[in-house]
Amino acid sequence: EAGVAQSPRYKIIEKRQSVAFWCNPISGHATLYWYQQILGQGPKLLIQFQNNGVVDDSQLPKDRFSAERLKGVDSTLKIQPAKLEDSAVYLCASSLGVISGANVLTFGAGSRLTVL
Amino acid sequence: SQQGEEDPQALSIQEGENATMNCSYKTSINNLQWYRQNSGRGLVHLILIRSNEREKHSGRLRVTLDTSKKSSSLLITASRAADTASYFCATDALSARQLTFGSGTQLTVLP
Repeated sequence: EAGVAQSPRYKIIEKRQSVAFWCNPISGHATLYWYQQILGQGPKLLIQFQNNGVVDDSQLPKDRFSAERLKGVDSTLKIQPAKLEDSAVYLCASSLGVISGANVLTFGAGSRLTVL
Repeated sequence: SQQGEEDPQALSIQEGENATMNCSYKTSINNLQWYRQNSGRGLVHLILIRSNEREKHSGRLRVTLDTSKKSSSLLITASRAADTASYFCATDALSARQLTFGSGTQLTVLP
C-alpha cells in the first residue's frame, strides 16, 4: 500500500512570499489532515477534511493560510504571505475515519518550510 | 492548545535497558494513541489503548492507561539503537473527534 505522499520536502522562502504544499493521501482514506509541527513541539492540527468538506479549521490562521481538497482526494495547503513564525514542518495525514470507535492516522514525511 | 504533555522531555539510555515515557492529559478521552517520529520523518502509529482498557502490549511495547489520573505510560523493553526517536501521545477526546498531540519525549538509545 502506498503511503501518504507530500511535496515539496523542503522549501525556503523569504517573508511575505507565498508557498504551496501538496498532499496525496492513501487511496480510500476519506479523512485528511494538515498539521503544523514547530521544531521541538508536537503536531498542531490546522485543518481536517472529510472527503472534500471541511470538518474543522478552527486553528487555521485564515488571514494567511488556505487549504482545499478538490474532488476529495489530493489537497493543497497555501500560505500567503508567509511570516517568520511559519517556519515549521507541515505534515499531512489521512485516515479511514472512525473504525470501531478509533481513528488511526497515517502521516506523510512532511514538508519543511524555512522562512527567512 | 496541546492536550497531552509527555514526561520526560528527553531520555537517554543504554541499549538493552527499558525506557518509560509518561503522558498526562486534561479531558475525558475515547482512546489514547502513541506515535513515533524518526528525525526528519512523519509520525508512525505504534499502539492504541481505549478508555476502558488499563494495559495493552504489542511486541516490546507496553502501554498503561489510568483514566482516574488522566495519565498513560509507554514502556519500551530491551531498547535498541533503532528505537532512537521522538515519541508522542495523542488523545482522542470525547468532545472533539480529532487527535491532539503532546509535546513529545526525545528518546536516545546509546549503543
